[in-house]
Amino acid sequence: KAGVTQTPRYLIKTRGQQVTLSCSPISGHRSVSWYQQTPGQGLQFLFEYFSETQRNKGNFPGRFSGRQFSNSRSEMNVSTLELGDSALYLCASSLLATGSGEQYFGPGTRLTVT
Amino acid sequence: KQEVTQIPAALSVPEGENLVLNCSFTDSAIYNLQWFRQDPGKGLTSLLLIQSSQREQTSGRLNASLDKSSGRSTLYIAASQPGDSATYLCAVSNTGNQFYFGTGTSLTVIP
Repeated sequence: KAGVTQTPRYLIKTRGQQVTLSCSPISGHRSVSWYQQTPGQGLQFLFEYFSETQRNKGNFPGRFSGRQFSNSRSEMNVSTLELGDSALYLCASSLLATGSGEQYFGPGTRLTVT
Repeated sequence: KQEVTQIPAALSVPEGENLVLNCSFTDSAIYNLQWFRQDPGKGLTSLLLIQSSQREQTSGRLNASLDKSSGRSTLYIAASQPGDSATYLCAVSNTGNQFYFGTGTSLTVIP
């Protein structure tokens, strides 16, 4: 069974631009979560989608948004990029709707904002 | 808000040694606790998942324990190998699939 895939793997953007990252979960998984990882803040939860509905959202500004499609694939969008948005963005998928399921992570998208 | 702490932040041991990594959390109302491994610049690899009703889980040379009442978990690695060198992260979920992560323990196993 294929794992979680994320595209693109690397991105370089300029301040003020916007970016869209994609995540394809493990087949059959309907929950997709997004995390931002930086050296200073560690791993921080962005949001979680289950069956196309956003169920939880972390403490991030409205510039960060996401969506999930009927095939469970998810995208996250960051508008008006800032230097501080440079990070590794990870998505995770889970089979279960509750927090009792195992999370499987993708390889991440490394975003660099210049 | 759930806070997760991992001690030590870094650990260096000679090959073959047994070691223990610690994780503590402030809110004991968790769904589960998961230990991950992260190699530099890579994603997270799941090592062990402990459901809230369980006390421990084992996989090969790894054993993880959970004490919900005291808000603590330990990851025991037996007979460490250089390939075990990585950052180890623990995470707990309170509700839904929102996980709270510790800052990790960076492990170096010296051949």
